[in-house]
Amino acid sequence: AQRVTQPEKLLSVFKGAPVELKCNYSYSGSPELFWYVQYSRQRLQLLLRHISRESIKGFTADLNKGETSFHLKKPFAQEEDSAMYYCALFNDYKLSFGAGTTVTVRA
Amino acid sequence: DAGVTQSPTHLIKTRGQHVTLRCSPISGHKSVSWYQQVLGQGPQFIFQYYEKEERGRGNFPDRFSARQFPNYSSELNVNALLLGDSALYLCASSLGRAGNSPLHFGNGTRLTVT
Repeated sequence: AQRVTQPEKLLSVFKGAPVELKCNYSYSGSPELFWYVQYSRQRLQLLLRHISRESIKGFTADLNKGETSFHLKKPFAQEEDSAMYYCALFNDYKLSFGAGTTVTVRA
Repeated sequence: DAGVTQSPTHLIKTRGQHVTLRCSPISGHKSVSWYQQVLGQGPQFIFQYYEKEERGRGNFPDRFSARQFPNYSSELNVNALLLGDSALYLCASSLGRAGNSPLHFGNGTRLTVT
């Protein structure tokens, strides 16, 4: 069965500091992985997906099949990055989400 | 782009009652999925409908059912409500079924069962 684990429920960083959100997955096939973000009082929205290998809002995520990880990174956190972040794995017809990490960026 | 719209936004029901939640996808999107999000957890998959047919079902009891209409809107029905059904119910639409069609989520319906 597929599973997504986000080990940190809360993450607090200072503005300008690097931030890394951890995501580990278990899946027997070739995974399709995503990061979704939910800002305060907004709907859940796609941040990035591994197949496009793009950088969105300064965030990047690299798929490491050996470590079964898809960590999200940003070199310099901004206050507007404060949000809830979910890692998700797509299989056939559904997304399996992790429990989420709440990020707070302090001035 | 009006986005995915869900109604109602909030709902309070009593144990044993029935509830119907509604979702209108983004224009042109043929796939609608439903997720349940309990406080403190990530969304859990309930159903996917594509071209008006059920394409996938999560680990939920038969009290949960859904359908998709010719205009691609969708309803989620829950019978014999339990306290544990209290959650945020999210609807998401996408162009296709596959992972390369990202999901676009609505704001959700907050269901409280008393």
